[in-house]
Amino acid sequence: QSALTQPASVSGSPGQSITISCTGTSSDVGNYNLVSWYQRHPGKAPKLLIYEDSRRPSVVSNRFSASKSGNTASLTISGLQAEDEADYYCCSYALSTTWVFGGGTKVTVL
Amino acid sequence: QVQLQQSGPGLVKPSQTLSLTCAISGDSVSNNNAAWNWIRQSPSRGLEWLGRTYSRSKWYNNYAVSVKSRITINPDTSKNQFSLQLNSVTPEDTAVYYCARGSAYDFNYWGQGTLVTVSS
Repeated sequence: QSALTQPASVSGSPGQSITISCTGTSSDVGNYNLVSWYQRHPGKAPKLLIYEDSRRPSVVSNRFSASKSGNTASLTISGLQAEDEADYYCCSYALSTTWVFGGGTKVTVL
Repeated sequence: QVQLQQSGPGLVKPSQTLSLTCAISGDSVSNNNAAWNWIRQSPSRGLEWLGRTYSRSKWYNNYAVSVKSRITINPDTSKNQFSLQLNSVTPEDTAVYYCARGSAYDFNYWGQGTLVTVSS
């Protein structure tokens, strides 16, 4: 049982936008501006997409964006492409120097 | 470019110690702006942060409450790597284990993952 709740799957057609939600509590997502998002292709290491709720590393495409409201964070992928088909995980810093993850969302490009 | 190369056995017997190593290239385990983490993923527990080691003039560790009594993460400055030891393992510890470089509050580089199975 993961600490953060994500939908198991989300799908979209090429060119569309999709949004993945990540719901936590006031002890993690809602208490810190420290949600990060990761992309993982099968057999590969996870890749950091977003940090500090909505900041994007320079090497990450601007098609990836994120936001947060209360205890729920969201990742949006715009202009969906075949290469975006992967698993996506959210993560939040939590109390007492620990990190909690979401269960992951499988993105399918139709 | 930071790269993390994991090594260690893929099969451990119950009650024994799981040991993994993560070799660092492109950075230093002594970097005062980084932290060196172990994270695992299993079908039953999902992704789980286990702990970290980091240097800020001296060495520090933080561990997850769930494994605190059984875990040790150590840096090895001579080999520029860090290690994970998890004692008294059970089948519940079967997972893919990742090492990861932490930057403040996220994980910006990950190892390739090692499947560790706990079975007799």
